[in-house]
Amino acid sequence: KAGVTQTPRYLIKTRGQQVTLSCSPISGHRSVSWYQQTPGQGLQFLFEYFSETQRNKGNFPGRFSGRQFSNSRSEMNVSTLELGDSALYLCASSLQGDYEQYFGPGTRLTVT
Amino acid sequence: GENVEQHPSTLSVQEGDSAVIKCTYSDSASNYFPWYKQELGKRPQLIIDIRSNVGEKKDQRIAVTLNKTAKHFSLHITETQPEDSAVYFCAARRNTNAGKSTFGDGTTLTVKP
Repeated sequence: KAGVTQTPRYLIKTRGQQVTLSCSPISGHRSVSWYQQTPGQGLQFLFEYFSETQRNKGNFPGRFSGRQFSNSRSEMNVSTLELGDSALYLCASSLQGDYEQYFGPGTRLTVT
Repeated sequence: GENVEQHPSTLSVQEGDSAVIKCTYSDSASNYFPWYKQELGKRPQLIIDIRSNVGEKKDQRIAVTLNKTAKHFSLHITETQPEDSAVYFCAARRNTNAGKSTFGDGTTLTVKP
């Protein structure tokens, strides 16, 4: 099976702009979770989608949002970008969200 | 919310020695504990996991132990090799919070040839 894929792999944006990241899960996986990875804060949970519904949410401001499509592909959006949003954004897919999660390669976002 | 503490933050061993990384979690309802290996510039890779109804699990040179009473779990790597050098993350999750894992801060393991 193909693994989790994420696009784009790299992004450079300016403060105040918005960005949309995409994640395609492993075929058959219905749960997609998003994490932010930074050197200082480690891996922080953003949100999880299952069957097109947000099922869990982390402690991030409302500028971070997401959605999931009927084919389980997911997107996350960050509006009004801040310098502190610079990070590696990882998505992870699993069958139902209860056990094994498999990560994508991440999108490296740099905000200048 | 859940908090996961991981120690040590860095670990250096000689090739062939064993390495042990420990994690403590706060949420007694957590019932799933995965370990990930992340090489530089690559995605975290699931290497082993344990569920709360099991005390120990082994996969070749890697083993994980879980002490539910003390709320801690450990990763053991035996006969370490230079290719084991990476950052290792532990995580904890309760299955009622599906898809939401809380991660430790990571351990940078260096295996010296």
